[in-house]
Amino acid sequence: RKEVEQDPGPFNVPEGATVAFNCTYSNSASQSFFWYRQDCRKEPKLLMSVYSSGNEDGRFTAQLNRASQYISLLIRDSKLSDSATYLCVVAYSGGGADGLTFGKGTHLIIQP
Amino acid sequence: DAGVIQSPRHEVTEMGQEVTLRCKPISGHNSLFWYRQTMMRGLELLIYFNNNVPIDDSGMPEDRFSAKMPNASFSTLKIQPSEPRDSAVYFCASIDRGSGELFFGEGSRLTVL
Repeated sequence: RKEVEQDPGPFNVPEGATVAFNCTYSNSASQSFFWYRQDCRKEPKLLMSVYSSGNEDGRFTAQLNRASQYISLLIRDSKLSDSATYLCVVAYSGGGADGLTFGKGTHLIIQP
Repeated sequence: DAGVIQSPRHEVTEMGQEVTLRCKPISGHNSLFWYRQTMMRGLELLIYFNNNVPIDDSGMPEDRFSAKMPNASFSTLKIQPSEPRDSAVYFCASIDRGSGELFFGEGSRLTVL
């Protein structure tokens, strides 16, 4: 199975700061990319898809670098409620059932 | 709309007992996944179904684990006999083919003593 790697953290960040973390993937044929968020003792939920041209959703910006095979997530003006684990997901077959691989997640703690 | 529904939410059992976890996917989603999550190994895919047919069960740890999907609205994951190392959170998920988004159930937290 192809690898998706993330820095597990934890990233301890003061409220209001900007934080960014990356996810690397090993299969250059990867087609679809996602960031999921998982709160403590909860299920993962889709945060945002990652598009080739990069995309933004409020304080969150996702980027894809195909040449270096990584995706990134940047959070601006971080809030206490952003504390969670962020899971990188890479799909190798257009988002279909097979080839959907999760990273182990990056743990983010926003401190007051 | 109801999301993915799993039961039980929590189960505590003794080693050697049979455990059955249940899942109802979102109506209209024709792919269903079973994942296991632990601190050490993260989220691991155990098995997935397309149109009720098991496609890839290479993630099933061993013969003690089995999964079925008798119809489009129901799936079970069974562990028999259970062992302490099976303790984990088991998630069921179904996928929206259009967006590629996975929708997870709330998980079944299993503790095997």
